[in-house]
Amino acid sequence: ETGVTQSPTHLIKTRGQQVTLRCSSQSGHNTVSWYQQALGQGPQFIFQYYREEENGRGNFPPRFSGLQFPNYSSELNVNALELDDSALYLCASSRSQGQGGNEQFFGPGTRLTVL
Amino acid sequence: AQTVTQSQPEMSVQEAETVTLSCTYDTSENNYYLFWYKQPPSRQMILVIRQEAYKQQNATENRFSVNFQKAAKSFSLKISDSQLGDTAMYFCAFMKHANAGKSTFGDGTTLTVKP
Repeated sequence: ETGVTQSPTHLIKTRGQQVTLRCSSQSGHNTVSWYQQALGQGPQFIFQYYREEENGRGNFPPRFSGLQFPNYSSELNVNALELDDSALYLCASSRSQGQGGNEQFFGPGTRLTVL
Repeated sequence: AQTVTQSQPEMSVQEAETVTLSCTYDTSENNYYLFWYKQPPSRQMILVIRQEAYKQQNATENRFSVNFQKAAKSFSLKISDSQLGDTAMYFCAFMKHANAGKSTFGDGTTLTVKP
């Protein structure tokens, strides 16, 4: 069983640019959640995708957007990058959306630095 | 909205000893899940233990156990016989029963196990 993978590992961008982060969910998982983890803080929920549709969003502006593909992999796009967007971005996949408590499997994260 | 508070930013313990990490949360929900996650320096977050709010019995997983006090909204993690590999950041997280994959995290406790 292949685990959750994310690419790239590290990324450096400048203010105003756009970035796309990618996540491959674990085999058999149809739900992907994205989190932002600023240095020294816990992860904050950005949004979730279930069966290719957004299924809930945290307190993040519309310049954070995403996609989920038929194979359940997902992308996180951030437009008009700001310095405060510098963080570790975590992707987590789980088996289903309908039941709470299903274990989330996290990827290793993408470290984004905005200069 | 739910909040999760971890009041111990850093803790240390001698190898083979026992340590307890604290977590409190605030919610008006009655059905929910609580989790402890471990994030080693390599960054990949893994689930340590899970507690369902409707279960009175405290969850245990080998050397890891929790003390779940629902009325006090407290959820502490006890690590027995601490090992060097337990050195990591530990996060407490809350999930509403109906919101699979949408977790609220605390800011973490950095645990160092000393030889």
